[in-house]
This record gives sequence, structure tokens and C-alpha cells, in this order.
Amino acid sequence: QKEVEQNSGPLSVPEGAIASLNCTYSDRGSQSFFWYRQYSGKSPELIMFIYSNGDKEDGRFTAQLNKASQYVSLLIRDSQPSDSATYLCAVMLTGRRALTFGSGTRLQVQP
Amino acid sequence: GAVVSQHPSRVICKSGTSVKIECRSLDFQATTMFWYRQFPKQSLMLMATSNEGSKATYEQGVEKDKFLINHASLTLSTLTVTSAHPEDSSFYICSARGRADTQYFGPGTRLTVL
Repeated sequence: QKEVEQNSGPLSVPEGAIASLNCTYSDRGSQSFFWYRQYSGKSPELIMFIYSNGDKEDGRFTAQLNKASQYVSLLIRDSQPSDSATYLCAVMLTGRRALTFGSGTRLQVQP
Repeated sequence: GAVVSQHPSRVICKSGTSVKIECRSLDFQATTMFWYRQFPKQSLMLMATSNEGSKATYEQGVEKDKFLINHASLTLSTLTVTSAHPEDSSFYICSARGRADTQYFGPGTRLTVL
């Protein structure tokens, strides 16, 4: 089992729809969770972080964390073609100094 | 805030030469920086953790004598690829640790070794 798992996709949604990206992690003791977006040929950029169970909203983005089930998700409302990118889930696993990244989910928003 | 720069953005060199890449945190101090490598359509691969004032910690399988890391100040870490070969061609990305485990990435350096 990978430490941080994501479906590689591609996840295809029509413009204006809600895109739902999911991530599971193996370490029950993890406390910090992050979502990054990476456009092709570019470096990752931070979208959101979440530390507590529940939802956290920032504009069109909502991060959801469920520590009991060990999953974290990212919802993108009113998806735009410019949201088409690879979304990376990152977790600070217990005892590590660097974030552990999932392999990413490629999102395609169809105009 | 939390801007990380990287220089150069792109470099082409001949096989056998050494290449130095700089990573700077512009508006915050970073005692810890990280170096990643990413091949096309693949995941980020952590190469090493750079610690200000001390030796870097390398991930398993990464040759420390080939990838020299220096973290001389709280805002600068450098990665030197020594005796580069075509198989070292990749996208090298640094990140700096900010508050509460957050990592901010530089724009990356695309290295091509001929």
C-alpha cells in the first residue's frame, strides 16, 4: 500500500461542474494535509492546507478531511478549463521532515 | 508572501560538466529546504533535505557525491550536479519549508545534458 494514494485519472468534468478529487493516506498519526496544483511543465503551487477534521473553504475550493477514515478530498466548484492540471495531495507523515506526495490526479475540464 | 525563486530556469550543458542550481526563499527564512526531481509524466521524487548550517540528508538511492547540496544561509540552498550525464536530464525543483509544515516550491530548473 502506498503511503499517499490518488487515482491517476484523468478525471474529466464539464465546465461549471464540481470536480471531486480524493486522496487516502496510510499513517493514522498524520496531522497536516495539503493540496497542490501542477500545470504541465511547471512546478507545484499550493492551493490549500487543512489540519482539522471537517471542511475548509477558500473561494471555489473546499478541502475535506476525515482522519478516522484517513482520507482527504478537494472539491472544485464551478470548474473552469483553466483548472485543468494535475492535483497533488501531500501529507506530513509521522516522523518525516518532508511532505509525502501522491502521484497526482489529472483533471480535465471540458469547455 | 512565501515566494521561492530558482536560478537558472533552464540550462543545457555538455556531458561531464557540473551545473549549479540556486534556490532562494525571498520573503521568509527557511532552515529547511528540499530538492526534488521530476521526469516527464512522473511523480515528484524527493532527492534530499537541505538543512541550514549542516549536512544534507539524502534519500535512498541518491548519490550524495554526485548531487552536492549546500545550505549556507537561511535563504539560500544550492544543488550542484557534478559530472552531469544525459540520464541526469530532468526537471529539478526546490521547495522551502514555511510555517506549519507548508512547503513552497520554486519554479524549477530544466536541465538538459547533451
